[in-house]
Amino acid sequence: TQTVSQSDAHVTVFEGDSVELRCNYSYGGSIYLSWYIQHHGRGLQFLLKYYSGNPVVQGVNGFKAEFSKSDSSFHLRKASVHWSDSAVYFCAVAGYGSSGNKLIFGIGTLLSVKP
Amino acid sequence: NSKVIQTPRYLVKGQGQKAKMRCIPEKGHPVVFWYQQNKNNEFKFLINFQNQEVLQQIDMTEKRFSAECPSNSPCSLEIQSSEAGDSALYLCASPDWGGAETLYFGSGTRLTVL
Repeated sequence: TQTVSQSDAHVTVFEGDSVELRCNYSYGGSIYLSWYIQHHGRGLQFLLKYYSGNPVVQGVNGFKAEFSKSDSSFHLRKASVHWSDSAVYFCAVAGYGSSGNKLIFGIGTLLSVKP
Repeated sequence: NSKVIQTPRYLVKGQGQKAKMRCIPEKGHPVVFWYQQNKNNEFKFLINFQNQEVLQQIDMTEKRFSAECPSNSPCSLEIQSSEAGDSALYLCASPDWGGAETLYFGSGTRLTVL
């Protein structure tokens, strides 16, 4: 069974704080991991992806994520958040080389950034 | 900004009514995906096309939905007889040219079935 778990439903931080949004997965075989952001009332925007190589991947707007096979994790981090980072963040997993209909999304983490 | 354009942004229908939404995929991209995102943030793959041909679709889509991607026209997804449980955000996406594991989504159509 392929699953994606985002353990934190809601994370609140202050502007300028660092943040980590957690993602754990269960998947057999070669995997493809990604993060998406969804601002209120909008569609999903792709942030970053990992499938091989350097386990730390850089995304847009200062976001990065680190893959850990031992922990089955792909946590998203940002060193200094801005109020505009307030959004829902979705972790997604797919078999590498699979079609987009095989994407499995987590239920999302709402990030609230206070001024 | 997303290169996938979806209209309308909001759609309100009564139960039993038809509900139709449109998608213009990224220019020149032959593949389109439709997803449904419910209020619990659960995503459900509905159907995908390559050019005008259906590649995959789920059972629900076969029975109550109709979808098409005609040549030189927007793609469309239509619910033949709306139900309350169809209230959701419908997302259209084009895959990355380098691999369909990455999807680029439109802003979605928010359907409310009263």
